[in-house]
Amino acid sequence: KNEVEQSPQNLTAQEGEFITINCSYSVGISALHWLQQHPGGGIVSLFMLSSGKKKHGRLIATINIQEKHSSLHITASHPRDSAVYICALLAQFYFGTGTSLTVIP
Amino acid sequence: GAVVSQHPSRVICKSGTSVKIECRSLDFQATTMFWYRQFPKQSLMLMATSNEGSKATYEQGVEKDKFLINHASLTLSTLTVTSAHPEDSSFYICSAIDRSGNTIYFGEGSWLTVV
Repeated sequence: KNEVEQSPQNLTAQEGEFITINCSYSVGISALHWLQQHPGGGIVSLFMLSSGKKKHGRLIATINIQEKHSSLHITASHPRDSAVYICALLAQFYFGTGTSLTVIP
Repeated sequence: GAVVSQHPSRVICKSGTSVKIECRSLDFQATTMFWYRQFPKQSLMLMATSNEGSKATYEQGVEKDKFLINHASLTLSTLTVTSAHPEDSSFYICSAIDRSGNTIYFGEGSWLTVV
């Protein structure tokens, strides 16, 4: 069993839709990261969360430490949001398998 | 902002040869860098932690003699895949954490194909 589980694995959305990606983990953590991996492979850190909620542009990330659950939301999705989104517990080097998002114009 | 640069982005090599991949922190000093491997459709997997001025710490199952890591300066870590085999073909990516410890930066990654 993977310490970090993400859902869905694949997601296709129409441009403008509201998107939610979920992450559950099974270990105690100090922080959780959401990463974005572009088709070429490069990775960008989107958020580091230890509690509550963070917002950056159209991206919102929330975490519930008690429930060991985090969500990444994308509002008004755009084709350029198409990427793989990875939930990660970087301190323990645990990574989810990623959610492949495709936003169709 | 801080950037971690990785080179080469793509490399094809013959079986039995060695390939070196460089990871540079461009505007910050990184005493620790991390090397990961990713197979298609799979999670990132930590291979080793590269420590400036000392030996790298390898994860279980990663052969240190096959994946040589050198972190000779505060801005450069290298991963050398020695005697490469087709099964070493993978995506290799490095990361570094800035001095505040709050921000992690990833390199662009390197696609290795061994033929």
